[in-house]
Amino acid sequence: EAQVTQNPRYLITVTGKKLTVTCSQNMNHEYMSWYRQDPGLGLRQIYYSMNVEVTDKGDVPEGYKVSRKEKRNFPLILESPSPNQTSLYFCASTPTAGAEAFFGQGTRLTVV
Amino acid sequence: AQSVTQPDIHITVSEGASLELRCNYSYGATPYLFWYVQSPGQGLQLLLKYFSGDTLVQGIKGFEAEFKRSQSSFNLRKPSVHWSDAAEYFCAVGPMDSNYQLIWGAGTKLIIKP
Repeated sequence: EAQVTQNPRYLITVTGKKLTVTCSQNMNHEYMSWYRQDPGLGLRQIYYSMNVEVTDKGDVPEGYKVSRKEKRNFPLILESPSPNQTSLYFCASTPTAGAEAFFGQGTRLTVV
Repeated sequence: AQSVTQPDIHITVSEGASLELRCNYSYGATPYLFWYVQSPGQGLQLLLKYFSGDTLVQGIKGFEAEFKRSQSSFNLRKPSVHWSDAAEYFCAVGPMDSNYQLIWGAGTKLIIKP
């Protein structure tokens, strides 16, 4: 089954403790991206990747890192999480420009 | 600046009534247009998309949307809503070039009255 898999689905952590949210897609898509969703703000793009070893900042990249060492994986790294990073995070992959984006189930992160 | 506006944060509709969710965009050229739905606790699922051609687009779950270039709008409609349509709906636009980035509206939460 074609899908985007994020883990974990829920995470509660403390300020400053490094964490990684994994994202994997099995559709051989070149383009992957990370979004955060906050009430009233819709989806805001954090980082995106056009292909392996090619990443770039989205609209809200501060406090986040990503890597794209393999085509299927695109982990999101929070080196020192802060409470303002409490949010719902989505990973998405897209096969070509203008095509449908496939979303993971989301990761609800709480930083206390 | 490029932007997508969904002017209604919440909409309440009675079950069986018709629905229209509004989406307006500001964009330098004709973009790709999308509507996604997010059910509670779920990811986003594509309802429909417009690339070119017929400006009335049919999607899944009985939804349709109409692209009106003169109004820079892409409103989503359904003739008769069901309780299972309660969800949050997002409009998005994307460029017709090699850039994959989408610009998202803030979403409209649909509440269904029994």
